[in-house]
Amino acid sequence: GENVEQHPSTLSVQEGDSAVIKCTYSDSASNYFPWYKQELGKRPQLIIDIRSNVGEKKDQRIAVTLNKTAKHFSLHITETQPEDSAVYFCASLRSNDYKLSFGAGTTVTVRA
Amino acid sequence: EPEVTQTPSHQVTQMGQEVILRCVPISNHLYFYWYRQILGQKVEFLVSFYNNEISEKSEIFDDQFSVERPDGSNFTLKIRSTKLEDSAMYFCASSGLYTDTQYFGPGTRLTVL
Repeated sequence: GENVEQHPSTLSVQEGDSAVIKCTYSDSASNYFPWYKQELGKRPQLIIDIRSNVGEKKDQRIAVTLNKTAKHFSLHITETQPEDSAVYFCASLRSNDYKLSFGAGTTVTVRA
Repeated sequence: EPEVTQTPSHQVTQMGQEVILRCVPISNHLYFYWYRQILGQKVEFLVSFYNNEISEKSEIFDDQFSVERPDGSNFTLKIRSTKLEDSAMYFCASSGLYTDTQYFGPGTRLTVL
């Protein structure tokens, strides 16, 4: 089955700096890659996603890149703010499949 | 904006007891899912449900688990005889037709004593 690895497990950045989280996946049939943000005690919220026919997608301060050949995708947060502090999960989904396979999560702390 | 809702937010039960976790998916969604997250571990897929039947299930989803859509709005997960290792956060999710995006509920924290 699909295996998603996520690094780092924790990330501390100074406010205003950038944060990068990296994930790798194993199944070449995976074609949809969402990122979820989970604040303490709250639901995982989709913040951005990318499909395998696209190499990069950006939404304001958040961007995701995908390298299909290397089977890795990354989340980039620029100009970090304290409200970006949360746990971030990457996930993958195979075509014609239903189950999301999640990474282990990255705890991001933005220092003021 | 419509959201997936779940009840209860926290359930405490004794080992061997049955529990039912409830979810109300987003109203026009057709695909429904249960995931769980044991403290400090990954979110894991349990089961997906479409057109009133299970479309996929993981190896975790054994005979102790069942899902049901008893009416037009609720989606339930039943654990027949809970074990200590069933203690986890259980998330319901739903998605619409022609989209892969899954929207998650706030979760039910199940504690088995």
